[in-house]
Amino acid sequence: GALVYQYPRRTICKSGTSMRMECQAVGFQATSVAWYRQSPQKTFELIALSTVNSAIKYEQNFTQEKFPISHPNLSFSSMTVLNAYLEDRGLYLCGARDWGVQDTQYFGPGTRLLVL
Amino acid sequence: GNSVTQMQGQVTLSEEEFLFINCTYSTTGYPTLFWYVQYPGEGPQLLLKVTTANNKGSSRGFEATYDKGTTSFHLQKASVQESDSAVYYCVLGRNSNNRIFFGDGTQLVVKP
Repeated sequence: GALVYQYPRRTICKSGTSMRMECQAVGFQATSVAWYRQSPQKTFELIALSTVNSAIKYEQNFTQEKFPISHPNLSFSSMTVLNAYLEDRGLYLCGARDWGVQDTQYFGPGTRLLVL
Repeated sequence: GNSVTQMQGQVTLSEEEFLFINCTYSTTGYPTLFWYVQYPGEGPQLLLKVTTANNKGSSRGFEATYDKGTTSFHLQKASVQESDSAVYYCVLGRNSNNRIFFGDGTQLVVKP
């Protein structure tokens, strides 16, 4: 089956520092990966959508300078939160889209970011 | 634009009661519609999806019918269990731009 792993599951960083999170698709080819942030109220914000062979598209209020993303192959993506502050806290989820089932995103368990 | 509306923030039921979670959507054309479920400490899991209007999707006793006439995709289950307690998201998918759109979610609490 289609599985998505994310690590770390939980991380704490000091205000102003950076942290990198990873997303790995197993059992399918992730032609596109979407990164989201889920608030404590459970709503989702799309940060960016990365599609193989296309430029990464960032949503309004999110920039490459703040959330650089790498998507080097069909099974792996990473995102860094640079210069993290309190407002960056939340659960970061990656949703990987299967090339063979193009309309479905499979999610990892998320990386919970706490900023002190 | 594309949007999904779930009116119920929380639904509380006792075991074996009937579940109904309302979902309506707004978009153009023929989207794919999904229900995802998120358990505490986990990411959203695909519960069911329907790609064709007027079809029904089902999984683990849950059902939802893609009604293009009323632009709805309500989730139902005849008899809930305590283990069904989770947050349920109605989601609209657009193949044209690889994007999906989440409703605000409905917290289901099932009491033993």
